[in-house]
Amino acid sequence: GAVVSQHPSRVICKSGTSVKIECRSLDFQATTMFWYRQFPKQSLMLMATSNEGSKATYEQGVEKDKFLINHASLTLSTLTVTSAHPEDSSFYICSARDAGILREQYFGPGTRLTVT
Amino acid sequence: GENVEQHPSTLSVQEGDSAVIKCTYSDSASNYFPWYKQELGKGPQLIIDIRSNVGEKKDQRIAVTLNKTAKHFSLHITETQPEDSAVYFCAASKLTSYDKVIFGPGTSLSVIP
Repeated sequence: GAVVSQHPSRVICKSGTSVKIECRSLDFQATTMFWYRQFPKQSLMLMATSNEGSKATYEQGVEKDKFLINHASLTLSTLTVTSAHPEDSSFYICSARDAGILREQYFGPGTRLTVT
Repeated sequence: GENVEQHPSTLSVQEGDSAVIKCTYSDSASNYFPWYKQELGKGPQLIIDIRSNVGEKKDQRIAVTLNKTAKHFSLHITETQPEDSAVYFCAASKLTSYDKVIFGPGTSLSVIP
């Protein structure tokens, strides 16, 4: 099946620093990638939709200047959490939509961000 | 926008019994309904999906049904096993180029040996 990777799987950073998370589709092309955030025992909340070669579309309430998204190629999207604060600590999950006919959406393994 | 509801929030079944999770959606234009299984500390895994042109789909012990008129769809797991224990999310989408998948709140399934 289709594989989506994320790196790093876990990261601990100090308050005020920036963290970059990479999302790659390993065996398919993804014109669209999505970034979600998940707090403990809650559902996935969509943060933004990222289209290759264009600006990301952010959901209401998500600060685009704080969560920078770049979709540089058909297999790579990055999320940078700028000036991180403890309240940004969460499980960040990316997903990639297969550009083919079936268009399934596959998820990465997630990145656990802890801001101290 | 789309809103997906899911019931129950928690479900405990004896090993070997069946489990049923039900979801409703609000946007009649939605035409793709995936189900995801999420184990602790991991990303969601697509386990089955159904598109609006069919009413039922089955894959071994897992089946999904869709009622477009009532705007609800269900996941059925038969002969449950302890390894089926996880959080299950239903979702809805329109499957256009950029359309997002909206998740339900999730169901925590526990299969008791």
